This record gives sequence, structure tokens and C-alpha cells, in this order.
Amino acid sequence: DGGITQSPKYLFRKEGQNVTLSCEQNLNHDAMYWYRQDPGQGLRLIYYSQIVNDFQKGDIAEGYSVSREKKESFPLTVTSAQKNPTAFYLCASTRAGSSLVYGYTFGSGTRLTVV
Amino acid sequence: GDSVTQMEGPVTLSEEAFLTINCTYTATGYPSLFWYVQYPGEGLQLLLKATKADDKGSNKGFEATYRKETTSFHLEKGSVQVSDSAVYFCALSDPSSNTGKLIFGQGTTLQVKP
Repeated sequence: DGGITQSPKYLFRKEGQNVTLSCEQNLNHDAMYWYRQDPGQGLRLIYYSQIVNDFQKGDIAEGYSVSREKKESFPLTVTSAQKNPTAFYLCASTRAGSSLVYGYTFGSGTRLTVV
Repeated sequence: GDSVTQMEGPVTLSEEAFLTINCTYTATGYPSLFWYVQYPGEGLQLLLKATKADDKGSNKGFEATYRKETTSFHLEKGSVQVSDSAVYFCALSDPSSNTGKLIFGQGTTLQVKP
């Protein structure tokens, strides 16, 4: 079955460390998105990519970086510049131009904790 | 800019009670509207959607009607079950933005007690 796979499910980061969250989809979707979820704040957009080798900053991009070298993959790196990285991170995808009709397909999330 | 506002939670109901979760939006164009559900420790799942005014989305006993005149998309269910306990998100996709971004409300937690 097609879907989005996020890994790992749980991740622990030490102070000053960079960590990378994986997001892979086999839905042949063009557009991919990273959201951060904090209690009581809903979902906030970090980065998005509508096509391979191109991506744009969302509302809270500072301290994060992404790449889109393959259509199927959109990894997110949480850098040491992100001062409060503890959160639940969600990856989503959709066909280009289809979010109006179909919305997104979401992965199951990665919970990142600073230790 | 575009925005979505949901009623604050948590909403606590007894099993078989009637559910309403309010959602209102602000958008420059004519958005599509969605309700997503999130069970503990999981990602979001699409519950229902409506793409134009007066459309009614429905799924698993849940319904929501796209009301352009009141800019609302309230979620309703006639008889909730314990298994409906989750966080519910209202969202919009604005065609005028050309980015495909979904804008989410802050989420409403529903707790259903037996």
C-alpha cells in the first residue's frame, strides 16, 4: 500500500547536536511539507517543496534545513540553531495542484526530545 | 492573511451525546475546507472535506457544511462513541495562494466518557 513513512518514531537530541528526520513517500506525490506540532498551538509550517530540487521556507524555518534530491524523499534537519526543538514533527504530501480537492496525506510523525 | 479559528477544548461528552466543534475561517479566495482527526501518538487523517459553498462533507457519522455567508465549517456528530476521542483539526486550502499550503486551526481535543 502507498503511504508516507517517517522515521524514527522517537528521537533524542543532545544540546548542540544536529539531527535529521526522515520522510519517504511512495504515492508519486509532487509536493511535500514539514509541520511542527506543539501542544495547544496546532500545526505550523516549517518548509515545503513543490518540485524536486526546489523548496521554500514556511512560517517557522529558522533553525531547520531541508533537501529534495528525490521526489520520494524530503528529509528535515534540526540544527543546533533551533533553540526549542522538542516537538512532534509531521510530514505530509499531495499531488501538485491537488491540495484543494484531496488535502494532504500525513505520516505518523516523529517525536523529538532534547535531553 | 488566511486563518482558521476553532473552539477551545477540551470538549468532554458522555457516550451517545451530540457533538459540535465550531470552526470559522478567514480567506482571500474561495478555499476548500477540511476536517482532520489525530489519535494519540499518530499523524493526521482526513475525516471529511468540502470544496465549495453549501457542500456537505460526511464520513463515519461526522458531517460539516461549508457556509460561505458565515465563513464557517462546524463539525457535528449525532451520537459520539468512546473511540471518537481524539484531536480534531479544521483546515483550509486557499487557491489564491498558489502554494498548496494547508492552514490549520489550533485543534480541539474531544474526550468521550463511557
